[in-house]
Amino acid sequence: AQSVTQLGSHVSVSEGALVLLRCNYSSSVPPYLFWYVQYPNQGLQLLLKYTTGATLVKGINGFEAEFKKSETSFHLTKPSAHMSDAAEYFCAVRGATQGGSEKLVFGKGMKLTVNP
Amino acid sequence: DAGVTQSPTHLIKTRGQHVTLRCSPISGHKSVSWYQQVLGQGPQFIFQYYEKEERGRGNFPDRFSARQFPNYSSELNVNALLLGDSALYLCASGLRTGPNTEAFFGQGTRLTVV
Repeated sequence: AQSVTQLGSHVSVSEGALVLLRCNYSSSVPPYLFWYVQYPNQGLQLLLKYTTGATLVKGINGFEAEFKKSETSFHLTKPSAHMSDAAEYFCAVRGATQGGSEKLVFGKGMKLTVNP
Repeated sequence: DAGVTQSPTHLIKTRGQHVTLRCSPISGHKSVSWYQQVLGQGPQFIFQYYEKEERGRGNFPDRFSARQFPNYSSELNVNALLLGDSALYLCASGLRTGPNTEAFFGQGTRLTVV
């Protein structure tokens, strides 16, 4: 079965500082990995995804993530935080359903606060 | 184009009651999935429907049921509501199933059970 671990629940950075959100996964098959962002009272928006190919994935809003198989990690980074980045971030891995279809298995999420 | 739309946006129910949540997928999308997001947690998979057939079910009790209609919209039904059913219920649609199919999420329905 697939699973995702996001250690901690809250990260606080200063505006302009590096954003680093950690995600480790467990998967018995080559993983498909995702980062989603959720703004208050909103649904989930896809930031970026890794399926196959290049291990450094670029997403929207200046975010990127690197797939490291040896470390089973898919950490999310952004060189310079902006106030508008304040939100909750979820790492997810594609899992299988009993019906042979797919589902997303999410981590517990990380709330990012950006201080002026 | 309209995104995934869910209704209602908020509702309050009493323990023991029944609730129906509705989801309209993006036009052309044939797959709908439902997720439950309890406060402070990540979303948990409940159901997936594709072409009106159930293709996956998460670890939820039989009080939870769903269906997909010929126009690909979907309903999630929860019977005998418990306080623990209070959550944000998210619907996601996709063109089809398959590992490369992107899921597009609606804004969710916030259910409060009192």
